[in-house]
Amino acid sequence: QQPVQSPQAVILREGEDAVINCSSSKALYSVHWYRQKHGEAPVFLMILLKGGEQKGHEKISASFNEKKQQSSLYLTASQLSYSGTYFCGTLLAGAGSYQLTFGKGTKLSVIP
Amino acid sequence: DTGVSQDPRHKITKRGQNVTFRCDPISEHNRLYWYRQTLGQGPEFLTYFQNEAQLEKSRLLSDRFSAERPKGSFSTLEIQRTEQGDSAMYLCASSRATGLGGFSPLHFGNGTRLTVT
Repeated sequence: QQPVQSPQAVILREGEDAVINCSSSKALYSVHWYRQKHGEAPVFLMILLKGGEQKGHEKISASFNEKKQQSSLYLTASQLSYSGTYFCGTLLAGAGSYQLTFGKGTKLSVIP
Repeated sequence: DTGVSQDPRHKITKRGQNVTFRCDPISEHNRLYWYRQTLGQGPEFLTYFQNEAQLEKSRLLSDRFSAERPKGSFSTLEIQRTEQGDSAMYLCASSRATGLGGFSPLHFGNGTRLTVT
């Protein structure tokens, strides 16, 4: 089951904040966030394992609401280097599977 | 850590031909994944190996696709009788077998772009 990401695209000016959401119709074991710049491979940002857990990576942090099967990625004081497409990947609870399923992505453009 | 290496970077083939791609993972990684990505979409899971064992395969994967990892090191992905719908970027990723919740971050290669004419 592919997770649903929103918004599909967002344009920010440098220094602005953004939130990217990821939701699933199935119970989740973990949520994984990656960023892909144009023409490059996806790069790992963070894994969230427990419900309600927040993890941080520079000025990028995320939360995971296990009960709502949702995760949000928070980008604060955005920089030009944050531009790219952000993907959430999900592992289903109880599936015993390592099939990480990615959403369609959220394209983030940071402009000066 | 020399990164995940994929070869070739680009492949153009005619419909009906067979193609084979190679992936060399990071040396200490024993998990290897193949994904397919089309424009504007996220990576789509194809299959996964732990060492030489192919443990999972997407149910959506046509039987024209086959993957091997004979000695638990490099892997090959073969597509037989290619179709235009197979045109995509084929990404390989590797990871350790341990980590948070038993899952470690995926390290992706730069992919092989397949164009079927």
